[in-house]
Amino acid sequence: DIQMTQSPSSLSASVGDRVTITCRASQDIDNYLAWFQQKAGEAPKSLIYAAFALNSGVPSKFGGSRSGTDFTLTITNLQPEDFATYYCQQYKSYPYTFGQGTKLEMK
Amino acid sequence: EVQLAESGGGLVQPGRSLRLSCAASGFTSGFTFSRFSMNWVRQAPGKGLEWVSYISSGSADVYYADSVRGRFTISRDNAQNSLYLQMNSLRVDDTAVYYCARASHDIGDKFYMDVWGKGTAVTVSS
Repeated sequence: DIQMTQSPSSLSASVGDRVTITCRASQDIDNYLAWFQQKAGEAPKSLIYAAFALNSGVPSKFGGSRSGTDFTLTITNLQPEDFATYYCQQYKSYPYTFGQGTKLEMK
Repeated sequence: EVQLAESGGGLVQPGRSLRLSCAASGFTSGFTFSRFSMNWVRQAPGKGLEWVSYISSGSADVYYADSVRGRFTISRDNAQNSLYLQMNSLRVDDTAVYYCARASHDIGDKFYMDVWGKGTAVTVSS
């Protein structure tokens, strides 16, 4: 199985900040990497697929990048509605696997 | 707007069975259920996301997580625009919110999950 190691597990930031979340795959997954946002008590919401592509309706303040097996989610100009838990997920092969999640909290 | 709605969750004793359903709607927005693969994903209380199972649009291909293989069965009825998860021999560690998620095509035979239902809670306890 492909392991997805996500860091940090938690992150404290302020409104207006720019933050970065990293996900490392245990093997090559090409660009088959998705990012999700989950707010407390809600279902996950798809943000990014194919490592870089924004899902429909997702603002451009969210961005994805890749360097080898390392993937990054960047969020700029943090707003109160952005404080949530973020997950990465590989869909290169079954079983699909998720990172452990990063809880983004307001400082 | 595409919508997925799970149902069938509840409290069940260990060793018993439960069948989850996921109803799809939003066809005026161009969503044809029969053209999309589907997934089940679960989330134990206070934990992260765990993929459970996948089924292709025509049911030819199905995949399972090791943790549920042999106990859970995924199926679909395209005429009814519905997805199912039959869960047998339930264990305490199957306790979770279960989400259905649409799989949209990326490149080749790769699919990403783009639309999620709100989930249905399953509690396995004596």
